[in-house]
Amino acid sequence: DAMVIQNPRYQVTQFGKPVTLSCSQTLNHNVMYWYQQKSSQAPKLLFHYYDKDFNNEADTPDNFQSRRPNTSFCFLDIRSPGLGDAAMYLCATSREVEGNQPQHFGDGTRLSIL
Amino acid sequence: GQNIDQPTEMTATEGAIVQINCTYQTSGFNGLFWYQQHAGEAPTFLSYNVLDGLEEKGRFSSFLSRSKGYSYLLLKELQMKDSASYLCAVLDSNYQLIWGAGTKLIIKP
Repeated sequence: DAMVIQNPRYQVTQFGKPVTLSCSQTLNHNVMYWYQQKSSQAPKLLFHYYDKDFNNEADTPDNFQSRRPNTSFCFLDIRSPGLGDAAMYLCATSREVEGNQPQHFGDGTRLSIL
Repeated sequence: GQNIDQPTEMTATEGAIVQINCTYQTSGFNGLFWYQQHAGEAPTFLSYNVLDGLEEKGRFSSFLSRSKGYSYLLLKELQMKDSASYLCAVLDSNYQLIWGAGTKLIIKP
């Protein structure tokens, strides 16, 4: 089945220790998104890629970086995680940005900071 | 600013019908999505409305009124597995998805 896969499902890191979350897709979608979601809150868009074009949201902290080496993979790097970065990180894809193209989500990575 | 409003929490009984409302104020409109999200899991797509009216998909229906900036998700014949959060999201004029915080639906036997 075509899908969006995130690894790992649960990630624990130490305060200030860099961490990388990964996402892969077999849907061959042009667009990939990274969201941060805290409990009982709306998903917050961090970045999205249209193909290789990178789009950073204005309020995404510099501590967050992203890479998309090819169509199938996308990575979220948190350079120096703080306690406030503990959240669920969701990767999503869509065929196009416009119109009735729903976003397809991976199962998410729940990040805990010690 | 852009804003999506949904009730924080609703409770309904198994077998009954529930309507979850969503109002929005956004810069432009290119469609409205409803997603279901079980606790600790990712959102899954339920419906998309871009024209006024009702879209029916099995036990779930979604309604849109663009002039009123209003949508609802109607769930019929509620089952315990429908206990989840339901998120309303609007695609604005820049094709950015603006998300509501979600409505937590609790189903009681």
